[in-house]
Amino acid sequence: GESVGLHLPTLSVQEGDNSIINCAYSNSASDYFIWYKQESGKGPQFIIDIRSNMDKRQGQRVTVLLNKTVKHLSLQIAATQPGDSAVYFCAENIRGGGNKLTFGTGTQLKVEL
Amino acid sequence: KAGVTQTPRYLIKTRGQQVTLSCSPISGHRSVSWYQQTPGQGLQFLFEYFSETQRNKGNFPGRFSGRQFSNSRSEMNVSTLELGDSALYLCASRVGSSGGEKLFFGSGTQLSVL
Repeated sequence: GESVGLHLPTLSVQEGDNSIINCAYSNSASDYFIWYKQESGKGPQFIIDIRSNMDKRQGQRVTVLLNKTVKHLSLQIAATQPGDSAVYFCAENIRGGGNKLTFGTGTQLKVEL
Repeated sequence: KAGVTQTPRYLIKTRGQQVTLSCSPISGHRSVSWYQQTPGQGLQFLFEYFSETQRNKGNFPGRFSGRQFSNSRSEMNVSTLELGDSALYLCASRVGSSGGEKLFFGSGTQLSVL
């Protein structure tokens, strides 16, 4: 049927709690993954990236985990703050598929005070 | 270092018109990509330019075109606008053109077609 808009999954967390945002990918040839944060009225902002030869990478308050066996990617945000409220996208680069990124549909993160 | 700059920020056009959007990448970045973002389709790749050459193209009609100048600045053109072209058009840049590089986005141009 005709799509009237993507239904974004929503994750609601309490301020100070940890957030986990999940992303599934289907192409085993994906060799690079990125997480972006997009606030209303702004472009996607780079958060963290990981290559397929890694399982885990940490940044400031964020950790990305990659499970290639089940083709699953997750973004963990520690001590979630109100400023973390945004839509989060995972994106993959498919080896041999050119240098374009293929984006997921996004997850809306809402931080409750 | 200044980020990716897109102009104009907002644009209103009518069906049948054409539009040109502009993008200035981060200094030193030679690759510029364009993406379309809509509520219905999400973020979709349009094309990528590197050293004034189109390196990759998404599944969009020929009405969508682009180019890159010697200073890495890029323009995107949409001719014969349709209502469905209403979207946020995002430009992104990175240093090189190989996969596996961080891509940095601008704030986008919000195009409304009436």
